[in-house]
Amino acid sequence: SQQGEEDPQALSIQEGENATMNCSYKTSINNLQWYRQNSGRGLVHLILIRSNEREKHSGRLRVTLDTSKKSSSLLITASRAADTASYFCATDAWGAQKLVFGQGTRLTINP
Amino acid sequence: DGGITQSPKYLFRKEGQNVTLSCEQNLNHDAMYWYRQDPGQGLRLIYYSQIVNDFQKGDIAEGYSVSREKKESFPLTVTSAQKNPTAFYLCASTVSGVENTIYFGEGSWLTVV
Repeated sequence: SQQGEEDPQALSIQEGENATMNCSYKTSINNLQWYRQNSGRGLVHLILIRSNEREKHSGRLRVTLDTSKKSSSLLITASRAADTASYFCATDAWGAQKLVFGQGTRLTINP
Repeated sequence: DGGITQSPKYLFRKEGQNVTLSCEQNLNHDAMYWYRQDPGQGLRLIYYSQIVNDFQKGDIAEGYSVSREKKESFPLTVTSAQKNPTAFYLCASTVSGVENTIYFGEGSWLTVV
């Protein structure tokens, strides 16, 4: 069962622009995480936001969480060609002991 | 270096064969996971294990089997009962706790020939 759904499925922007990806989920969560995957590689953890947090920053990343709307967004500022990858949100539901991943957003940064 | 090692990176399976994907971690993590990823899709959970000698089915366990005889090892067998096994398989591990940040291996590509 897919808990998270990312939007858009694919995003193509020019280098230097900001990229925003959204994630919606269905059940109450303990935390929400964002991961990055380069083509044909494993996933790498980017950032975690707890259910009692509304916003979190890490370098050029900004994540927001709205538990009333069951949604989260990931903003990448001043994008670079190296940011080209797929980005996944994952939710950790209370008592679930496992992460459930969304379908991902495929981000392409054009030089 | 600490991490998760998956092998082989590429594997070809003939119809009716069982194949086993290896996953080893030296992070001293309690929990280990197997995910399947189809091209352009998200990850689907096959099996997971919170402790040695115990494991649970995920969302798509049919046609797969696992064992957890050692803390550092969690091999996945793709049996002949799995009718569409061609996919990218990802192994992951984490310290069991409140915040399950997961660490992934580099994945194994399985193709049926």
